[in-house]
Amino acid sequence: GAVVSQHPSRVICKSGTSVKIECRSLDFQATTMFWYRQFPKQSLMLMATSNEGSKATYEQGVEKDKFLINHASLTLSTLTVTSAHPEDSSFYICSAQRGWGTEAFFGQGTRLTVV
Amino acid sequence: AQKITQTQPGMFVQEKEAVTLDCTYDTSDQSYGLFWYKQPSSGEMIFLIYQGSYDEQNATEGRYSLNFQKARKSANLVISASQLGDSAMYFCAMRPPTGANSKLTFGKGITLSVRP
Repeated sequence: GAVVSQHPSRVICKSGTSVKIECRSLDFQATTMFWYRQFPKQSLMLMATSNEGSKATYEQGVEKDKFLINHASLTLSTLTVTSAHPEDSSFYICSAQRGWGTEAFFGQGTRLTVV
Repeated sequence: AQKITQTQPGMFVQEKEAVTLDCTYDTSDQSYGLFWYKQPSSGEMIFLIYQGSYDEQNATEGRYSLNFQKARKSANLVISASQLGDSAMYFCAMRPPTGANSKLTFGKGITLSVRP
């Protein structure tokens, strides 16, 4: 089946630094990828829709200057958490879909800890 | 707008028994897709089963089956012969029929614990 690879799986960074998370579709072209944030024992909260070759569409309340999304190719989308603070610590997960009626393929997720 | 409701508190089931995880949804779309995902403690999201709104038969995938009752707007997941590895969070989700860029709407999830 299709695979979406997310890297890194875990990252610890110092407050004030930036962290980049990569999401790659390994065996299909993904014109659209999605970025989610998840707090412990809670559901996935959609942060933004990443569109290849154009600006990402952010959900209401998500700071676009804090969470920079770049979708430079049909197989790669990146999420950069800029000037990270402890409240940005969370589980971030990406997904990609091939088309209607098909499952969304998820990356393995990235557990970000800001100290 | 689409909405998924999962209201069960943490669920417990004895190993080898069957368990039903409830999911109701609300949408004004005539065509939509319903999904169930499993999320173990490692965090990965594992696709379990898909049901299209126009599918006449309930979907089945191995030990998983989806009890789809369109008039009631429910899409309950049935896990037969529970195994210890089934302990995880389970999410019900739905998508509108607009292609690869259509968003998944998730329920808040249900925690399932399988007892030996």
